[in-house]
Amino acid sequence: SQQGEEDPQALSIQEGENATMNCSYKTSINNLQWYRQNSGRGLVHLILIRSNEREKHSGRLRVTLDTSKKSSSLLITASRAADTASYFCATDAGGTSYGKLTFGQGTILTVHP
Amino acid sequence: DAGITQSPRHKVTETGTPVTLRCHQTENHRYMYWYRQDPGHGLRLIHYSYGVKDTDKGEVSDGYSVSRSKTEDFLLTLESATSSQTSVYFCAISRQGSGANVLTFGAGSRLTVL
Repeated sequence: SQQGEEDPQALSIQEGENATMNCSYKTSINNLQWYRQNSGRGLVHLILIRSNEREKHSGRLRVTLDTSKKSSSLLITASRAADTASYFCATDAGGTSYGKLTFGQGTILTVHP
Repeated sequence: DAGITQSPRHKVTETGTPVTLRCHQTENHRYMYWYRQDPGHGLRLIHYSYGVKDTDKGEVSDGYSVSRSKTEDFLLTLESATSSQTSVYFCAISRQGSGANVLTFGAGSRLTVL
């Protein structure tokens, strides 16, 4: 079963607006990661937040993590048409997981020029 | 994509035929993974490897086998392909980033089983 569930499944916004995507998970984690996938390409790592962190920033990206609610959100500020892609959260259980990640189903983001 | 090559990139085959997908890395990473991506399911782990000849099953391993005879190559085999195995297959390696494992993905192999 999928560890992560993402919401919304699809998001359509105008350039310049902010985009927020949410991810919920079921079991304890060591860290949570967000990945981006452009159409027809492999996934690319964006940002990682550890279980003892509540917020992380990287450029126009802001990630929050609430371990009590087992949820995370990814905020992309001042979106651009080039941000159009699918975004996936992924959880790492840590320990002897051998680096395996469990992915959510993804949010399809469309940014209109 | 960053030192990972998947082959073939596209393949069309018939039900019942064997298929082997290859993942080749140039960076000597220990951990390698095969995922499949299907609409509505995101990415699901098929098999993974934590060293040469060390492999284990993932979430959706039925109908698949893997082999890793050398560090740089991780092979995924469908012994007898079925239409339910039509999918896009991604190989990934795990890198240490900020003290945690971060995946780098190949470009994917699109398999169609008729």
